[in-house]
Amino acid sequence: EDKVVQSPLSLVVHEGDTVTLNCSYEVTNFRSLLWYKQEKKAPTFLFMLTSSGIEKKSGRLSSILDKKELFSILNITATQTGDSAVYLCAWNGNNRKLIWGLGTSLAVNP
Amino acid sequence: DTAVSQTPKYLVTQMGNDKSIKCEQNLGHDTMYWYKQDSKKFLKIMFSYNNKELIINETVPNRFSPKSPDKAHLNLHINSLELGDSAVYFCASSQVNPGRRVNSPLHFGNGTRLTVT
Repeated sequence: EDKVVQSPLSLVVHEGDTVTLNCSYEVTNFRSLLWYKQEKKAPTFLFMLTSSGIEKKSGRLSSILDKKELFSILNITATQTGDSAVYLCAWNGNNRKLIWGLGTSLAVNP
Repeated sequence: DTAVSQTPKYLVTQMGNDKSIKCEQNLGHDTMYWYKQDSKKFLKIMFSYNNKELIINETVPNRFSPKSPDKAHLNLHINSLELGDSAVYFCASSQVNPGRRVNSPLHFGNGTRLTVT
């Protein structure tokens, strides 16, 4: 059965720390992997990764995919309290469903 | 300007009632979805429509019935509400590209928090 596993499930850091969130997947017919950030409302799109080894960056956030080892990481440098959220990753396969991980709950303390 | 909008934001109702949640997107996407998010934040797809055609219908009680009058709207009707239906329901949309390997990312509405008492 296709699945997406995220780790850690929760994380508490101090402002300024760097964090790495992990997303591993066991799927057939990989097409893309997506990262979302969810605060109080809707998940908001961060990155879509389709190719191995190519880093995507947006400000202090970056992500990379390893299709051989079947995982992706999301890095956040110089964390701020506004980064506190649940970070979700999802795999997009052959059909039109996204398979979601359970998320990593990140709390950034001042 | 809201891309994906759903109403109502909050819905509190008693067991046994019937309720509807509405969703509209102005992104020009051809595919819309309903997701259920439980208290542990796990997102589970319920339905997906592509150009008004049902393409994903997960194992969902038949008390849940989606309706898509056009490709910009996807409503969810729930009959005989049960306590276990309490959750946040998210509508989302994306552009599915037949023949291409990758579809566009999902855009989510802000969710409808349903509480069944």
